Amino acid sequence: NAGVTQTPKFRVLKTGQSMTLLCAQDMNHEYMYWYRQDPGMGLRLIHYSVGEGTTAKGEVPDGYNVSRLKKQNFLLGLESAAPSQTSVYFCASSYSFQWLFGQGTRLTVV
Amino acid sequence: GNSVTQMEGPVTLSEEAFLTINCTYTATGYPSLFWYVQYPGEGLQLLLKATKADDKGSNKGFEATYRKETTSFHLEKGSVQVSDSAVYFCALSPPGEKLTFGTGTRLTIIP
Repeated sequence: NAGVTQTPKFRVLKTGQSMTLLCAQDMNHEYMYWYRQDPGMGLRLIHYSVGEGTTAKGEVPDGYNVSRLKKQNFLLGLESAAPSQTSVYFCASSYSFQWLFGQGTRLTVV
Repeated sequence: GNSVTQMEGPVTLSEEAFLTINCTYTATGYPSLFWYVQYPGEGLQLLLKATKADDKGSNKGFEATYRKETTSFHLEKGSVQVSDSAVYFCALSPPGEKLTFGTGTRLTIIP
């Protein structure tokens, strides 16, 4: 099925551990994004990419890194997880005015 | 910069009531405007959109009109159902730019 797929869907990390969230899209979209969703704060942009090999900082980039080595994949990395990074993470891709979101990854850092 | 201000929730209504969720925005240029819905335990789904002034987006009985003069994009539905219970996000995107979201409004419909 065409769309945006995020893995994993759930994860619990200990403080200081690292992990990578994977986002894959099969619509050949140039633009991809990582957002985090927190209660009362809506969705805030972490990083985004306007094409293969490019990345840029969003509103809340600290503590995260990203890579877009292939057009269809956008990886979000946490090098040293902190409890403040407990959140639901959404990936999205877009073309023109069409945006598609993944189902989200619920991450808990203890 | 770009920003979206949404009516704070939570909003609780009885089934068949009229719904309005207010949304106003600040943006440079002429953004496209969106309403997204998030059902419990799910991701975001596009509910409706409008790409220019005076456009009306509609879907599943929901409507919103792009009002440039008041910089608003209020969501309305004439008769809500229990299945409409969800979190609703207003968002904007200037051409070629990223989506900026409001904080979301949690809607609960009681039978």
